Amino acid sequence: AQKVTQAQTEISVVEKEDVTLDCVYETRDTTYYLFWYKQPPSGELVFLIRRNSFDEQNEISGRYSWNFQKSTSSFNFTITASQVVDSAVYFCALSGDNAGNMLTFGGGTRLMVKP
Amino acid sequence: DAGITQSPRHKVTETGTPVTLRCHQTENHRYMYWYRQDPGHGLRLIHYSYGVKDTDKGEVSDGYSVSRSKTEDFLLTLESATSSQTSVYFCAISEVAGTANYNEQFFGPGTRLTVL
Repeated sequence: AQKVTQAQTEISVVEKEDVTLDCVYETRDTTYYLFWYKQPPSGELVFLIRRNSFDEQNEISGRYSWNFQKSTSSFNFTITASQVVDSAVYFCALSGDNAGNMLTFGGGTRLMVKP
Repeated sequence: DAGITQSPRHKVTETGTPVTLRCHQTENHRYMYWYRQDPGHGLRLIHYSYGVKDTDKGEVSDGYSVSRSKTEDFLLTLESATSSQTSVYFCAISEVAGTANYNEQFFGPGTRLTVL
């Protein structure tokens, strides 16, 4: 069975602060994919990043960066110099070695960035 | 943005009535999924389809059925709605192995269902 845990249910920061959203996963598969999605107040789900289990390189995209560590089964997401527009619920998800590309989601972290 | 629409976007119904939600895609993707989103649970998979007339159960399939008669349409049916099925329902699509976007799922706008 797969599991994704996002222990932080809500985080509140002031604009321009850096913030890290934690994601810990469990899987028995040797090949798997990890994802982050953003759900702004408007409700849609926006794909942010995919990382496969063989690629532990960290990735940076503008103010966003992701730290994948297989040794600790973590895939953390950092927003640098947060902005009010970053306020959203962020979901970490896992897809194991299954034929249906099925995703297991964490419970989500609600990030509130105050001006 | 991936071409995914859901209808209706909002629905209020009464316990015991049948409800059908529709997901329509214009991307010709093979895989389609139905999830429900509830506070504290993230999204949970209800059913998915890996081709026309090919479907399988997800984590929370009890009380739901699905059908896919065309590549572009995936229907979710609540045969007899219950209050516990009040939720936001998301449809998603995904491509097949070997393509650039393999494994990523792209989501529709969601349907908010209230069962009174």
